[in-house]
Amino acid sequence: QVHLQQSGPGLVKPSQTLSLTCAISGDSVSTNSAAWNWIRQSPSRGLEWLGRTYYRSKWYNDYAISVKSRITVNPDTSKNQFSLQLNSVTPEDTAVYYCARWDHDSGYFTIWGQGTMVTVSS
Amino acid sequence: QSVLTQPPSVSAAPGQKVTISCSGSSSNIGNNYVSWYQHLPGTAPKLLIYENNKRPSGIPDRFSGSKSGTSATLGITGLQTGDEADYYCGTWDTYLEPVLFGGGTKLTVL
Repeated sequence: QVHLQQSGPGLVKPSQTLSLTCAISGDSVSTNSAAWNWIRQSPSRGLEWLGRTYYRSKWYNDYAISVKSRITVNPDTSKNQFSLQLNSVTPEDTAVYYCARWDHDSGYFTIWGQGTMVTVSS
Repeated sequence: QSVLTQPPSVSAAPGQKVTISCSGSSSNIGNNYVSWYQHLPGTAPKLLIYENNKRPSGIPDRFSGSKSGTSATLGITGLQTGDEADYYCGTWDTYLEPVLFGGGTKLTVL
């Protein structure tokens, strides 16, 4: 049974960096059959996909156009986890952030983390 | 504004049926699988439908999915108050971003 456990701060100051981690159990971050994603949800924007990392003989990343200049998603094979860094945050980045596993073959999110409410405020 | 278009809200009485539409284009829904997610406040989204019309283990057959051309539909029969939630369609786009969500539809069970 795959499980995703998120960790990271719930409060970030404007202009600083939002950092979250998603620990994987029951699967491997290096698997060829999945991609590891970050998604956020806010009342004004609904579900918004942010970015992902995946391994297909080498590591790849894809990012949403809306955050491409500010986002990094990195795998950590030694700890079997992956992370999100979002730079130069503003109050508009306030949202619930989720990590999620994407099934590569059929294209859907099979497992989600528990969610982290992140507030951007001074 | 989402590439995938859903109605902002739908409503129906308990026991009734409701459908939620998701409209896209040939580069996303028209050529790729559609999935549906239920999002209850304070919880993680839950997969309801994958590969257009398949239900994961544990999802009751009150939930159904279909796709025709560049549109997909989620159907819910025998509505219960516990079905009140936001519902999102999802897919990917051949030319745009690799993951797309609809704007979400709020279901109210009157």
